[in-house]
Amino acid sequence: GAGVSQSPRYKVAKRGQDVALRCDPISGHVSLFWYQQALGQGPEFLTYFQNEAQLDKSGLPSDRFFAERPEGSVSTLKIQRTQQEDSAVYLCASSHGTGREKLFFGSGTQLSVL
Amino acid sequence: DAKTTQPNSMESNEEEPVHLPCNHSTISGTDYIHWYRQLPSQGPEYVIHGLTSNVNNRMASLAIAEDRKSSTLILHRATLRDAAVYYCILHLTGRRALTFGSGTRLQVQP
Repeated sequence: GAGVSQSPRYKVAKRGQDVALRCDPISGHVSLFWYQQALGQGPEFLTYFQNEAQLDKSGLPSDRFFAERPEGSVSTLKIQRTQQEDSAVYLCASSHGTGREKLFFGSGTQLSVL
Repeated sequence: DAKTTQPNSMESNEEEPVHLPCNHSTISGTDYIHWYRQLPSQGPEYVIHGLTSNVNNRMASLAIAEDRKSSTLILHRATLRDAAVYYCILHLTGRRALTFGSGTRLQVQP
């Protein structure tokens, strides 16, 4: 596909479960970002990859959140022992280079923790 | 982080121009001004960006004040499909990630 693809589109988890969210960036895009968006709020930065290197993880809210991009393309955001406050839309974005060019966002994964 | 200030909401009528304001008084000389919009149930979408000069593209125009402390996104003829949350963001020098605020929710009336 031509755009950023995220799966699943919706995820319901019981509190305490682990979840894995997938992001397929646009082919050839070097930079990849994860954001968290609570209901009615703007997206908040979680972490940034340049190829396979995680260069900024300053936005990850706790050590339960872990992201990887082992081959510099697909990325996975993993949340361990989910809690109700983790309920949000998780957005992935990619950009072609490493400068301040525009980001392309996926439609997000809506996570609901019951 | 440099901060932007936008009205929470605005209304417009279809086929009329819309001017969405943004204040960014703490902007630094090399910070870019970016605008994204987010339609319901979708991820944000790039609209336009600029540094000092006014910019035009097929979606919108960006007017930047001479002192760069404010900018205005201009939609020349609003359509119902332009109803979205519009985010004005400073892309800071040396920082890769964008920092979103709460944006302006634009409603377009038929």
